[in-house]
Amino acid sequence: GQNIDQPTEMTATEGAIVQINCTYQTSGFNGLFWYQQHAGEAPTFLSYNVLDGLEEKGRFSSFLSRSKGYSYLLLKELQMKDSASYLCAVSLSGGYQKVTFGIGTKLQVIP
Amino acid sequence: DTGVSQDPRHKITKRGQNVTFRCDPISEHNRLYWYRQTLGQGPEFLTYFQNEAQLEKSRLLSDRFSAERPKGSFSTLEIQRTEQGDSAMYLCASSATASGGYTFGSGTRLTVV
Repeated sequence: GQNIDQPTEMTATEGAIVQINCTYQTSGFNGLFWYQQHAGEAPTFLSYNVLDGLEEKGRFSSFLSRSKGYSYLLLKELQMKDSASYLCAVSLSGGYQKVTFGIGTKLQVIP
Repeated sequence: DTGVSQDPRHKITKRGQNVTFRCDPISEHNRLYWYRQTLGQGPEFLTYFQNEAQLEKSRLLSDRFSAERPKGSFSTLEIQRTEQGDSAMYLCASSATASGGYTFGSGTRLTVV
């Protein structure tokens, strides 16, 4: 089976940096996604990491360590609109690479 | 390309009634997925289609649930004899490749009263 852990809630200040961690235990890991989901809306794709290391995309960066079963999403220069849930999701190797989601981290950005 | 469309956006139904949801994926995407999401939880996998073939169905789905993708384009998800526990957001997503990110539709929020 798969187990994905991430904090349920975080609070950060506008303009600051926040790191959202995700650990996973899976059989047959292929890659890791991060999605953003605003309340009442569908998830939107942020990043996909397959190889170890940091990938930067504007204010958002995502890091993966396959050996440690660990990833984080780094959000810089936080804006109020970044208040959302951030979903860590793992794709499995083999077949169609099924994606399993964590419960999400609800981030609240405060002034 | 208008993205993934789902219809209806909201559905309120009485317990015991049947409901059907529709999903129109991005036209060039041959992979289509249904997920269910309840408040405070991440999306839970329900079923996967590649073209018209349903290749996987979650054990979460009882025999009251059925999904089809008859021509490899749009898909429908039917729930028979709805129960209050079926109340959730039903999300459809599509992708072009196995490693590509999913594009989700806006979802259908089902409330069973």
